[in-house]
Amino acid sequence: ETAVFQTPNYHVTQVGNEVSFNCKQTLGHDTMYWYKQDSKKLLKIMFSYNNKQLIVNETVPRRFSPQSSDKAHLNLRIKSVEPEDSAVYLCASSTGLASSYEQYFGPGTRLTVL
Amino acid sequence: GEKVEQHESTLSVREGDSAVINCTYTDTASSYFPWYKQEAGKGLHFVIDIRSNVDRKQSQRLIVLLDKKAKRFSLHITATQPEDSAIYFCAASPDSNYQLIWGSGTKLIIKP
Repeated sequence: ETAVFQTPNYHVTQVGNEVSFNCKQTLGHDTMYWYKQDSKKLLKIMFSYNNKQLIVNETVPRRFSPQSSDKAHLNLRIKSVEPEDSAVYLCASSTGLASSYEQYFGPGTRLTVL
Repeated sequence: GEKVEQHESTLSVREGDSAVINCTYTDTASSYFPWYKQEAGKGLHFVIDIRSNVDRKQSQRLIVLLDKKAKRFSLHITATQPEDSAIYFCAASPDSNYQLIWGSGTKLIIKP
C-alpha cells in the first residue's frame, strides 16, 4: 500500500532549467528525506528534514534545495540543472530523525537532463 | 566516517536454493543494520534489521547474521522464490546518527 507519493514519475528537461519535484506522505511521520539514486543504483542521502531541523549532506550542490509547507510534504527544487543531475530521486519518510527508524520510500522521480 | 561495502553486485541462484548477501562495515560504533529491497521501477522497502545486541535474527525465510568481531553482516534468504528477485541494500549506523550509510546494492536473480 503506497503511503509516500511522488510526482512526476518522469521529467525530461534541458541543461540550465529549473525543476521541482513533489513528495507527500500520509503516514503521519515527522521526518522526510530526499535521496539521489544514480544509474549504478548507488544511493546518496541529500537531505533529512524533521519539522524544525534540516540536515544537509555537505556534498549536495547549492542548486538543490528542499521546500516544506508542512510535515507531510517535502519538495525538491533544483535551480539550473546540469547533466550529472540525471538520476532517480527518491523521497522517504520515517517516524523520527534517528537512523534506526524504518524508512518508507516513494516510487521515485526519474530526471533526465539533456 | 563509516563505510559499508556490499560484496556481491549480482547474485544468481536457482529457485528453491538459498541466497546469501554479505556486507562489511568499518565503524565499530555501528549498532543498527537494516536491509531494504528494491523491486524494478519502485522505491525501497524495509525487509529486516538487526541490532548489535544480538547476532542472529529471523523473519520467516529471511535470516540476518551479525559478526561484530569481523564487522560483517549477512542476509540469508532460504527457499528462494521468483518474487525475491530484486536489488537488496544493506546499511549501517550508530544509533546516535541521523543518517544511514548504505551499501551499493546486490541484484538478486532467481532462476527457474
